[in-house]
Amino acid sequence: QSALTQPASVSGSPGQSITISCTGSSSDIGNYNYVSWYQQHPGKAPQLIIYDVYSRPSGVSDRFSGSKSGNTASLTISGLQPDDEAHYHCSSYTIITRLFGGGTKLTVL
Amino acid sequence: QVQLQESGPGLVKPSETLSLTCAVSGASVITPKWWSWVRQPPGKGLEWIGDIYRGGTTNFNPSLKSRVTISVDESNNQLSLKLSSVTDADTAVYYCARPRSDNGDYGFGYWGQGILVTVSS
Repeated sequence: QSALTQPASVSGSPGQSITISCTGSSSDIGNYNYVSWYQQHPGKAPQLIIYDVYSRPSGVSDRFSGSKSGNTASLTISGLQPDDEAHYHCSSYTIITRLFGGGTKLTVL
Repeated sequence: QVQLQESGPGLVKPSETLSLTCAVSGASVITPKWWSWVRQPPGKGLEWIGDIYRGGTTNFNPSLKSRVTISVDESNNQLSLKLSSVTDADTAVYYCARPRSDNGDYGFGYWGQGILVTVSS
């Protein structure tokens, strides 16, 4: 099985918005609304920031939003803040498997 | 507050079996819809190892399926992972994870802090 495809890195300035893509296939992202996103700071465990494509857990800033079109899911972070600098991972769930993307390093300039 | 804590040997020899446990506090290990193990090789992305569902059904990463066992220990309120015939490629931080609520979505809402396991002779 192939991992999901994410850009290796993205960057933005404080206050700007960025979008991270996560491309799968019609067997995973394209056919299931079970895409989740995780923020991971160095040396820490990942933290769930988006689940079921669009939903945010309580306590997660509304600056984080998720979407999906076809086989590609996206995470948008608006109003970039210095603490947003981290790695971001996407994941998809199907009834037989889970996949992760390779992770994207976000740099806040 | 649900808390997860992985434990086990930090060093395993090649060809041996890696055995980890995930101690659960603040909740029962048998009530979530599913549990997962996820790993992360140093400097790399996350890799799903496998799931165990309420009732005992399991799903595994096809690349690891022949070597993985995941089980729930209700008496000790913990989750376990066994990975046999390890090689250098199995060196990673290993995490246990579960959903935010017992009957919730399929996102990894709770994570343990992770444990680094190094495979080396």
